[in-house]
Amino acid sequence: EPEVTQTPSHQVTQMGQEVILRCVPISNHLYFYWYRQILGQKVEFLVSFYNNEISEKSEIFDDQFSVERPDGSNFTLKIRSTKLEDSAMYFCASRRGQGEEKLFFGSGTQLSVL
Amino acid sequence: ILNVEQSPQSLHVQEGDSTNFTCSFPSSNFYALHWYRWETAKSPEALFVMTLNGDEKKKGRISATLNTKEGYSYLYIKGSQPEDSATYLCASSGNTGKLIFGQGTTLQVKP
Repeated sequence: EPEVTQTPSHQVTQMGQEVILRCVPISNHLYFYWYRQILGQKVEFLVSFYNNEISEKSEIFDDQFSVERPDGSNFTLKIRSTKLEDSAMYFCASRRGQGEEKLFFGSGTQLSVL
Repeated sequence: ILNVEQSPQSLHVQEGDSTNFTCSFPSSNFYALHWYRWETAKSPEALFVMTLNGDEKKKGRISATLNTKEGYSYLYIKGSQPEDSATYLCASSGNTGKLIFGQGTTLQVKP
């Protein structure tokens, strides 16, 4: 069964460093998402992406965050200058669209900012 | 702003017990309600997506109901097994696919 894959599974970085989290969505899906869960809190929406552009973003998704789909298969989330409070599990998800509402999630990247 | 709440936060049952969890969500501007099953170190797995008031869905021993007028959904597990141990997440969505999650119910089934 097709699945969303995310790499790396764990990422440790120093505060102020840039990180790139990578995702390969399901190949025939059209909508792509990033969510995150800070330990002990709800899973929260970051950004949605469709037709090569951001379609919606949350207040969390400030100028330090960016997304890209550079080659038609990968979908990346970049955090330019990480802060301690960016430590979280980051999930990528994709959806086929065209009446299909179900989101398929990757297994997440645990980001630890020291 | 949508606010989705789940109860209980955690639940411990014996193998063979049946159990249920609650998800409440704002009923105004409702579009869809999602249930996910999330095991540690794995991807959250979609169980159900429901859109219609009164909808009932079933997958094996797991079923879910939806009341969009009063803003709640129940997830039922019949005859719980140890492999059912996981966190069960519900989320409300609009037509963009953006999900607003509850805090989850963590189920532990003891053999």
